[in-house]
Amino acid sequence: DSGVTQTPKHLITATGQRVTLRCSPRSGDLSVYWYQQSLDQGLQFLIQYYNGEERAKGNILERFSAQQFPDLHSELNLSSLELGDSALYFCASSVGQASGYTFGSGTRLTVV
Amino acid sequence: ILNVEQSPQSLHVQEGDSTNFTCSFPSSNFYALHWYRWETAKSPEALFVMTLNGDEKKKGRISATLNTKEGYSYLYIKGSQPEDSATYLCGSAGAGGTSYGKLTFGQGTILTVHP
Repeated sequence: DSGVTQTPKHLITATGQRVTLRCSPRSGDLSVYWYQQSLDQGLQFLIQYYNGEERAKGNILERFSAQQFPDLHSELNLSSLELGDSALYFCASSVGQASGYTFGSGTRLTVV
Repeated sequence: ILNVEQSPQSLHVQEGDSTNFTCSFPSSNFYALHWYRWETAKSPEALFVMTLNGDEKKKGRISATLNTKEGYSYLYIKGSQPEDSATYLCGSAGAGGTSYGKLTFGQGTILTVHP
């Protein structure tokens, strides 16, 4: 157990639907990062939150949104899902940019 | 270099061989370079984070060096073992502007160590 908890582990949903992925960071970490790994793609950075505020944004689609709550857990909301959104979504947390990231076990999303 | 690039894409070595991989990254606006080890069906695990030019880090048989002026980092594995088989990822984080807060990863080097 890395200390970063992601739920659910697997999710199968239909096109057009909306899902929420949840992440609890490692105790003491203020930064949360979301990454997407699609088939044959590397880890693509989506978004970072630090202590409740959005800090950096990657190539995150407008259909996707995220937030970090006062207890530091984070949620990634994916809406109007398309087949191409099927991927492994990782959450990671860290103390800061100069510290290694601790990754969760990922949520595998399958859109059918 | 606009993106993070890793070479080779894959590598097959025999047990006991020493090996090394390269990570190239944008040298301007650099903040930190990360190395991760990613085993199949698991999550990436941090190996090293380096920030200063000339940094060298070591963990057991694995070591890494950093050259921020020319934008590259090497990861070395001495005396490879089958359990070293994994994908090795490097990621570069920028210091400011649009790069700030983003750790951009390369595609990884897949290492297979044959007994």
